Amino acid sequence: DGGITQSPKYLFRKEGQNVTLSCEQNLNHDAMYWYRQDPGQGLRLIYYSQIVNDFQKGDIAEGYSVSREKKESFPLTVTSAQKNPTAFYLCASSTPGLAGLEQYFGPGTRLTVT
Amino acid sequence: AQSVTQLDSQVPVFEEAPVELRCNYSSSVSVYLFWYVQYPNQGLQLLLKYLSGSTLVESINGFEAEFNKSQTSFHLRKPSVHISDTAEYFCAVSDLGGAQKLVFGQGTRLTINP
Repeated sequence: DGGITQSPKYLFRKEGQNVTLSCEQNLNHDAMYWYRQDPGQGLRLIYYSQIVNDFQKGDIAEGYSVSREKKESFPLTVTSAQKNPTAFYLCASSTPGLAGLEQYFGPGTRLTVT
Repeated sequence: AQSVTQLDSQVPVFEEAPVELRCNYSSSVSVYLFWYVQYPNQGLQLLLKYLSGSTLVESINGFEAEFNKSQTSFHLRKPSVHISDTAEYFCAVSDLGGAQKLVFGQGTRLTINP
């Protein structure tokens, strides 16, 4: 089955710790995205990558970092500099061109920082 | 810059009643429009999309949306809802720029009452 895997589903961390969220896809998609979802605010773009070894900041990149060393993987690190990290994080992927406007989403990781 | 406004944060309806979820967008260029659905604690799934051609688009589970360029709207409708339609619905817009980014609305929570 082709799809996007995010792990773990739930993640708990203490304030001041960095944490890395995993995102893997076997859809052979070039582009990958990270979104943050908060109640009543929809989805906000954190980072995106259109090709391996390249990525760009989205609308709310402060306090986050990413890497794209492999086409299949796009891990997100939530650093201690992120002031309000508790949220639901969604990873997505797409192909280039008109067909790529449809993004495929993973099941999400709910991060709680106390 | 593009933006999307979903006018209702919550919409409660009775089972088998019709429903309309409203979406308005703002953009200075031609856009492509999407509706995604999110069931509790899951990722997003594409419900339907408008890229070109007929302004009325349909999904396989009875939803439809009409692109209205003059009113900059893309409202989602269903003539008779079912309990299983309970979910959060997101409207999104893209302009087929190089990054193929989606801009999401705040979401509308649809609750179906028996």
